[in-house]
Amino acid sequence: DTGVSQDPRHKITKRGQNVTFRCDPISEHNRLYWYRQTLGQGPEFLTYFQNEAQLEKSRLLSDRFSAERPKGSFSTLEIQRTEQGDSAMYLCASSSALGGVGYGYTFGSGTRLTVV
Amino acid sequence: SQQGEEDPQALSIQEGENATMNCSYKTSINNLQWYRQNSGRGLVHLILIRSNEREKHSGRLRVTLDTSKKSSSLLITASRAADTASYFCAIGSSNTGKLIFGQGTTLQVKP
Repeated sequence: DTGVSQDPRHKITKRGQNVTFRCDPISEHNRLYWYRQTLGQGPEFLTYFQNEAQLEKSRLLSDRFSAERPKGSFSTLEIQRTEQGDSAMYLCASSSALGGVGYGYTFGSGTRLTVV
Repeated sequence: SQQGEEDPQALSIQEGENATMNCSYKTSINNLQWYRQNSGRGLVHLILIRSNEREKHSGRLRVTLDTSKKSSSLLITASRAADTASYFCAIGSSNTGKLIFGQGTTLQVKP
């Protein structure tokens, strides 16, 4: 297993277009998280899945954002009708959930979105 | 807010010196974690300290946690130019595993 993979690495899109990002977590990890990071800031929590269930969504996640994790494997994050304010690095991370105690995340390299 | 607040925002030191970064938070925690991020890349997990632990070591890293003061510190000893990066503390406040990240400290180690 080579870690968490995100695709694409970079995406430039025109305002109003829809974009979809993919994340492939570490196969043994049942938890998957999406974060958004802008320049000079820490990652902001967007949503997370345990297996295929989406258990929490941030208020930052407007109705233009949707995430799925079919069959508890890879995940997709879709942004509809993109706006310039959506320009950011979108980070995916996975972790295992054993014993109810927090475990460190393994992050992917991120997808950098630029909306022009 | 659960978010950790880090201090200083930026730190510049010479190679070989020690670097100390601090993180304060406001809520009760399950665990606190530190991550490193090189420019334009994903974050790398460095160390996790649980709420019932006071100190942990990993190589040149030493993390302390004071739950009475709601603060943590990350010490990097004998710094190297390769340690140049941004460092984030992350608060885990429940068993969901969800983390809330601070704004980070940017460390520059000059050769």
